[in-house]
Amino acid sequence: DAGVTQSPTHLIKTRGQQVTLRCSPKSGHDTVSWYQQALGQGPQFIFQYYEEEERQRGNFPDRFSGHQFPNYSSELNVNALLLGDSALYLCASSLEGPFSTDTQYFGPGTRLTVL
Amino acid sequence: AQSVTQLGSHVSVSEGALVLLRCNYSSSVPPYLFWYVQYPNQGLQLLLKYTSAATLVKGINGFEAEFKKSETSFHLTKPSAHMSDAAEYFCAVSEWTNAGKSTFGDGTTLTVKP
Repeated sequence: DAGVTQSPTHLIKTRGQQVTLRCSPKSGHDTVSWYQQALGQGPQFIFQYYEEEERQRGNFPDRFSGHQFPNYSSELNVNALLLGDSALYLCASSLEGPFSTDTQYFGPGTRLTVL
Repeated sequence: AQSVTQLGSHVSVSEGALVLLRCNYSSSVPPYLFWYVQYPNQGLQLLLKYTSAATLVKGINGFEAEFKKSETSFHLTKPSAHMSDAAEYFCAVSEWTNAGKSTFGDGTTLTVKP
């Protein structure tokens, strides 16, 4: 049973560029959440996708956007990159609805460096 | 709104000693509580979770945690530390209606001395 997978593993961009990160949820999961983990800090919730719609959003600017596809995989897009966007981006999947697992499973993350 | 406070950003213990990592939470609704471990350059691995069943929760690798509502605490313990326990530990809280949206503490780095 494949767990949560993320690509790419590492990414280097320059200020002002745009980036797209990808996530495939654990098999059978229908909900994807994205987190930003800056160096030395805990993960911060960016947003969550369920049924191809953004269901919840944390305190992040509109430069951060996402998408969920019919196969439940998801993308995180960040426009107009700032130095402060350098972080580990974590994707987590969970199952909602009557068979909710009340647990989310994390992928290994994508390390984004903005120069 | 929910929040988590992890007391002590760094904890150092000797191999074989008791591990105690502290976590206090704030939540306006009944919470779900989690402990995760993170090894360098890796994602988060779930150690254990509290979801309103037994207040004493047992997890993987010999860890356990006790939910104390009166103290709003969910401290993580392990009777005997092993070198492989050295890692970053995060406490997190979520609402029972949405386990996929969690608020994390800033983490505690556990060092295990031989």
